[in-house]
Amino acid sequence: SAVISQKPSRDICQRGTSLTIQCQVDSQVTMMFWYRQQPGQSLTLIATANQGSEATYESGFVIDKFPISRPNLTFSTLTVSNMSPEDSSIYLCSVVVGVGGNQPQHFGDGTRLSIL
Amino acid sequence: EDQVTQSPEALRLQEGESSSLNCSYTVSGLRGLFWYRQDPGKGPEFLFTLYSAGEEKEKERLKATLTKKESFLHITAPKPEDSATYLCAVRSGGSYIPTFGRGTSLIVHP
Repeated sequence: SAVISQKPSRDICQRGTSLTIQCQVDSQVTMMFWYRQQPGQSLTLIATANQGSEATYESGFVIDKFPISRPNLTFSTLTVSNMSPEDSSIYLCSVVVGVGGNQPQHFGDGTRLSIL
Repeated sequence: EDQVTQSPEALRLQEGESSSLNCSYTVSGLRGLFWYRQDPGKGPEFLFTLYSAGEEKEKERLKATLTKKESFLHITAPKPEDSATYLCAVRSGGSYIPTFGRGTSLIVHP
């Protein structure tokens, strides 16, 4: 597996502001993803972070709201823009280590975000 | 569209009281079924991958089994430290993206 570090671990933000979440992995990984986890709900994929190109967003998520960067194979950022109370959630970074298509995803400990 | 349903939503056990968690799934071409454990304030921790019906995996007090329609996570003689939310996910086709269930919250009382 891999050691995945997310920063910040939690934050309380004002409505209308933006926050950038960082995800650092201790080894090069092929795939990196960003998820949202709301209480009582399943994990929802926001986007796949592609190294050197634009992220691939899932239905319901757009680049203007959730811009993502992935400058190399060990680091990615997710920005939550123009936040509203509905964005209060846990945001999780995950990675796939190795190749073959059957490898599990491994997760960071998440960023707990509250919007006032 | 892949679907994953976990039951029960919540389960309370006494220490030593064995039980099972269920994960029912609908996919076209299962590429893997994954079990995770998630503690409060933490991200999901990978436990097992199952690939085909009849397969079983064990780790300490946990045993995961798989049929063509569902997976069970059996917990034998649980301890309070087994308290967590257990998530099930399935992957199908050629995608790296699994579909997650909502999880089962397990509380084991001493």
